[in-house]
Amino acid sequence: GENVEQHPSTLSVQEGDSAVIKCTYSDSASNYFPWYKQELGKRPQLIIDIRSNVGEKKDQRIAVTLNKTAKHFSLHITETQPEDSAVYFCAAPVLVGYSTLTFGKGTMLLVSP
Amino acid sequence: KAGVTQTPRYLIKTRGQQVTLSCSPISGHRSVSWYQQTPGQGLQFLFEYFSETQRNKGNFPGRFSGRQFSNSRSEMNVSTLELGDSALYLCASSSGGPDEQYFGPGTRLTVT
Repeated sequence: GENVEQHPSTLSVQEGDSAVIKCTYSDSASNYFPWYKQELGKRPQLIIDIRSNVGEKKDQRIAVTLNKTAKHFSLHITETQPEDSAVYFCAAPVLVGYSTLTFGKGTMLLVSP
Repeated sequence: KAGVTQTPRYLIKTRGQQVTLSCSPISGHRSVSWYQQTPGQGLQFLFEYFSETQRNKGNFPGRFSGRQFSNSRSEMNVSTLELGDSALYLCASSSGGPDEQYFGPGTRLTVT
């Protein structure tokens, strides 16, 4: 099955700075890479995802890049705001083509005003 | 449309007891996945059910089991509870392919 590693485990930035979280995966056949945000006491929610046929996807202040050769993908948040403070998880399907996910350990992002 | 629901939301059990948790997926979703979330291990996959069949299973002991009914509602059962089973148990529903998983609010299980 798939194995996903995520770095860093914590990330502190000032409001307005950019934040980058990186993940690596093990299965070269993997083709779907979502990112979930979990605020304190709440359920994880999808914020952006990317499929293997594209190298980058953007949604306002959030972007995800994928390097299939190196088997890593990254989340980029620009102009961070205090409400971006949360735990972010990268993931990939446990098995190619299936919906169940293997998650990274998570990154706690703290944005200071 | 209504989101994923889980019952109960909170549960306190003692070691050795068993517990059953329930998950109702979004209407039309045939896949239900279960995850255990702990501070030390993060989000770990337990198992997935699709059209009443277990399709994937994570690396958990046999004390953890589940099932899915014809209306796609799913239950998971943990027998002979241990202190280490204390966690937030999340279920997520989806269409069944590599696509967004919609999470429920979770069941917080405390084993004393």
